[in-house]
Amino acid sequence: DIQMTQSPSSLSASVGDRVTIACRASQSISTSLNWFQQKPGKGPTLLIYNASILRSGVPSRFSGTGSGTDFTLIISTLDPEDVATYYCQQSDRPPLTFGGGTKVEIK
Amino acid sequence: QVHLAQSGAEVKEPGASVNVSCKASNYNFITFAINWVRQAPGQGLEWMGWISPYNGKAEYAQKFQGRVTMTTDSSTTTAYMELKSLTSDDTAVYYCTRGPGPNVKVVIPFDDWGQGTLVTVSS
Repeated sequence: DIQMTQSPSSLSASVGDRVTIACRASQSISTSLNWFQQKPGKGPTLLIYNASILRSGVPSRFSGTGSGTDFTLIISTLDPEDVATYYCQQSDRPPLTFGGGTKVEIK
Repeated sequence: QVHLAQSGAEVKEPGASVNVSCKASNYNFITFAINWVRQAPGQGLEWMGWISPYNGKAEYAQKFQGRVTMTTDSSTTTAYMELKSLTSDDTAVYYCTRGPGPNVKVVIPFDDWGQGTLVTVSS
């Protein structure tokens, strides 16, 4: 199975800060990497797919980069509505494993 | 717009089985696989498996092999996930989501999710 490792597991940043979340796959997955946002008490929602394609309707302050084994989710200017837990997921081959999540809070 | 409507919360005793349904609407049901993902209280997301409504082919995560059965009914555009021999470790919210699957490629994966079904296993 492909292991997905996210870091950090949590972070606290100020409104307007640039936030970076890393995700590493245990083997190459090309660009088969998705990012999800899960707000407290809600279900997950897709933010980015194929490593860097922003889903329609997602604010442009979100972006994704990477290929192979190393990926990054960037929030360019943190907004209070971005308080959530973020998960990466590989969809290269089953089982489609998720990272452990990164909880983002406002300082 | 696309809608995935799941069945209501369940409370089960250890050893029992649970069947969660996921009614899909407003898209061509057979063109997307249905994936099932669960989340235990305070924990992360866990992929359980996927099924293609086109041919009924399903694949399961090794962890659930022998205990889970995923099926679909194209006449009612409904997917089902049955989990047997429940233990307290199966207490979780179970989600269905449309996406890739066995011989199913999609342009945008996991863009729509059901509202989640809480399954509580307790004696």
